Amino acid sequence: QVQLVESGGGVVQPGRSLRLSCAASGFAFSSYGLYWVRQAPGKGLEWVAVIWNDGSNDDYVDSVKGRFTISRDDSKNTLYLQMNSLRVEDTAVYYCARSVGGVPIAQQLLRGEHFDYWGQGTLITVSS
Amino acid sequence: DIQMTQSPSSLSASVGDRVTITCRASQSIGNFLNWYQQKPGKAPKLLIYATSNLQSGVPSRFSGSGSGTDFTLTISSLQPEDFATYYCQQSYITPPLTFGQGTRLDIK
Repeated sequence: QVQLVESGGGVVQPGRSLRLSCAASGFAFSSYGLYWVRQAPGKGLEWVAVIWNDGSNDDYVDSVKGRFTISRDDSKNTLYLQMNSLRVEDTAVYYCARSVGGVPIAQQLLRGEHFDYWGQGTLITVSS
Repeated sequence: DIQMTQSPSSLSASVGDRVTITCRASQSIGNFLNWYQQKPGKAPKLLIYATSNLQSGVPSRFSGSGSGTDFTLTISSLQPEDFATYYCQQSYITPPLTFGQGTRLDIK
């Protein structure tokens, strides 16, 4: 069965770095685009970063551009999120999610994406 | 970016009730609208994709409709396990992928 398991969360001081991992199993990892989606305490869902199935494209929400880097290691079936220069407002549960249904409509743009599997989430608390 | 607005933000209902949640997009998104259910402390779960397609394993009491800018999620007869927060998500153009702010469904 499909599984996504995040790890790497914890408490970190502002300005420090952290790397999240998402270990996947039960499906052909290299065939899927993958997202990081976060949820601040008591708030809604916010996409953070995406990486395409072949790793050729990635993108980020404006608030993390230049600070976060998404990557994947298809040999290890693992998705990563390198988070640098962390801010208090980055405090959230971070989920990895598998994207399905997306069809390219232009360079680096898809139509029809939705998330059929999610990890259980890992909590990042940025606090001094 | 396409903005998604859900209404109401919260809703109280009883077991057996018929419930409708609305999602409005800031521009036309065709039928590229998805719905998720999230229970406290859990990851979101896909309910419906492309406006009206029920994800495998989702009970048939859930249904979706709409097109363009206005969409609805309907639960025909609320069950105890349906009390949760519901999010819509546009997939017309991604990234950026955008969610509605959520609708919390509580027991009356």
